[in-house]
Amino acid sequence: DGGITQSPKYLFRKEGQNVTLSCEQNLNHDAMYWYRQDPGQGLRLIYYSQIVNDFQKGDIAEGYSVSREKKESFPLTVTSAQKNPTAFYLCATGSGTGQQYFGPGTRLTVT
Amino acid sequence: KQEVTQIPAALSVPEGENLVLNCSFTDSAIYNLQWFRQDPGKGLTSLLLIQSSQREQTSGRLNASLDKSSGRSTLYIAASQPGDSATYLCAVVDTNAGKSTFGDGTTLTVKP
Repeated sequence: DGGITQSPKYLFRKEGQNVTLSCEQNLNHDAMYWYRQDPGQGLRLIYYSQIVNDFQKGDIAEGYSVSREKKESFPLTVTSAQKNPTAFYLCATGSGTGQQYFGPGTRLTVT
Repeated sequence: KQEVTQIPAALSVPEGENLVLNCSFTDSAIYNLQWFRQDPGKGLTSLLLIQSSQREQTSGRLNASLDKSSGRSTLYIAASQPGDSATYLCAVVDTNAGKSTFGDGTTLTVKP
């Protein structure tokens, strides 16, 4: 079964705690992306990776960190430095044609 | 910096009507433009991808056009159905940066 898996679907954390969101793909795509979506808004790019062991900051990278040790995996850590972490987080991959494919998302709530 | 605008933010139409959703962008140096559909609380589903050398793409009742010179793309939905109700987002991939910029979306409601 091909696609992108994000886990968990819902995540609750206390303020001040770091939390890691999982993103796994079996589409064999080199590029992977993390986006944040707030209510009524479009997607904003957090980090992206075009190849294993390399990644770049997006438009809103402050308070987030990523790693890309394997082609299949691109975990996102939301650190305590992120001032407004409550949001819907979407992971995507990119094919050679530039087409993007999205996972089902993780809704993070920090109280 | 690329900016992508989608107007209107919301649209309500009766079932059966043909409609057009608009997407405008400021930088014509794009690699491709992709239209997505998003249902509440879900991820994005790709509808159509237009490469920068193409003018339009069609899939079923959907037709997307791209005019790089004017910085515009339109998504045409024929014979709308209640099941088409969702938020539609466009995204442009910048040639140089290799990353995408999204519009805020148009929320479509099709009334039975």
